[in-house]
Amino acid sequence: EVQLVESGGGLVQPGGSLRLSCTASGFTFSNYAMSWVRQAPGKGLEWVSVISGNGINTYYADSVKGRFTISRDNPKNTLYLQMSSLRAEDTAIYYCARKYGNDWFYFGYWGQGTPVTVSS
Amino acid sequence: QSALTQPPSVSGSPGQSVTISCTGTSSDIGSYNRVSWYQQPPGTAPKLMIYEVTSRPSGVPDRFSGSKSGNTAALTISGLQAEDEADYYCSSYTSSNTLVFGGGTKLTVL
Repeated sequence: EVQLVESGGGLVQPGGSLRLSCTASGFTFSNYAMSWVRQAPGKGLEWVSVISGNGINTYYADSVKGRFTISRDNPKNTLYLQMSSLRAEDTAIYYCARKYGNDWFYFGYWGQGTPVTVSS
Repeated sequence: QSALTQPPSVSGSPGQSVTISCTGTSSDIGSYNRVSWYQQPPGTAPKLMIYEVTSRPSGVPDRFSGSKSGNTAALTISGLQAEDEADYYCSSYTSSNTLVFGGGTKLTVL
């Protein structure tokens, strides 16, 4: 059974940093591109970033480019999102998601999410 | 990249059909058959319902169907059931090799 478990969320001050983790199980982690998707309170979904299975290729939404870094440790079956220069508008539940089928932009599996609050 | 445009809400009675539209641009929906739809009941993670405009993952009822014309995609739910009440989001791959979601549509089953 595919499982994705996020952790690392919490309360951080504006301008601060935070690193999220997503531990995967039930599949060969290195074979799958992984993404982060966020959802602000009461708002819609927003794609944040994607990383290829081998970790070489990464892409970001314009809203986080230059501030967030996606990475992965395949031997540890773990996906990361390093967030810096955090702003109030980054407050959201952050989900990690695994691709469905051959294309990274369909998300067939999601974690339960980890909440991030940016506030002084 | 601006969000795709969805109606904020739709409603229907049990047994009826409803259609949710999703409008993008020539840089996303209009250029690629890479549209997907997600169902999200309150307090839960999203669930993939449609991918590649019209395909359904295994386990998704055939009451759910997708279509596309030009820059607009649509999700149709036929034979509406109470359990279908949820928020629905469309998404599309873009020419920048990124992904854009719609603003979401709240489906109410009357």
